Amino acid sequence: AQKITQTQPGMFVQEKEAVTLDCTYDTSDQSYGLFWYKQPSSGEMIFLIYQGSYDEQNATEGRYSLNFQKARKSANLVISASQLGDSAMYFCAMRDFLGAGGGADGLTFGKGTHLIIQP
Amino acid sequence: NAGVTQTPKFQVLKTGQSMTLQCAQDMNHNSMYWYRQDPGMGLRLIYYSASEGTTDKGEVPNGYNVSRLNKREFSLRLESAAPSQTSVYFCASILGYYGYTFGSGTRLTVV
Repeated sequence: AQKITQTQPGMFVQEKEAVTLDCTYDTSDQSYGLFWYKQPSSGEMIFLIYQGSYDEQNATEGRYSLNFQKARKSANLVISASQLGDSAMYFCAMRDFLGAGGGADGLTFGKGTHLIIQP
Repeated sequence: NAGVTQTPKFQVLKTGQSMTLQCAQDMNHNSMYWYRQDPGMGLRLIYYSASEGTTDKGEVPNGYNVSRLNKREFSLRLESAAPSQTSVYFCASILGYYGYTFGSGTRLTVV
């Protein structure tokens, strides 16, 4: 079965600093995808970035980048130049391509990191 | 506006009551999902539907039933609500492999 571990329940960061949110995963599959979502206090799930297991380059989307280390099974999210609006819950999630991991189709989520950006 | 629409947004039920959470998407997606989110937890998969006419259990299916009425609609039913089902429920659909779209959620309280 797949598992996502986020070891930072909460983080305080000064505005304009870079932030790294940790995510490690466990899967026996070779083909999978890794996702990061942002959930502000309003509750909606906002897609940030995606990394496929066969992608050779680390994914980037604006201020977001994903530090993908396949051998270590880690997929950390890096937010450059943090802003007050980045304060939110952040979830790492994984999906395998064919459900070969034995679980149901769909995303497996970590427990999240509560990020607070301080002025 | 294109997207995933969930109704209702808020609901309070008494223990033992039944209700159906509605979800509809207008993006012609094949796969649809129901998740629940409890405090301090990420989202957990309740049921999913890979295509019209098919449904399968996820990680936490007990106490729930689903119906994939057509390609657009995927409903979640609580037959006899329990306090343990107090949660925020999210519906999602997907195009391709990673194009998930989530609804805005239904906050359910069972007293």
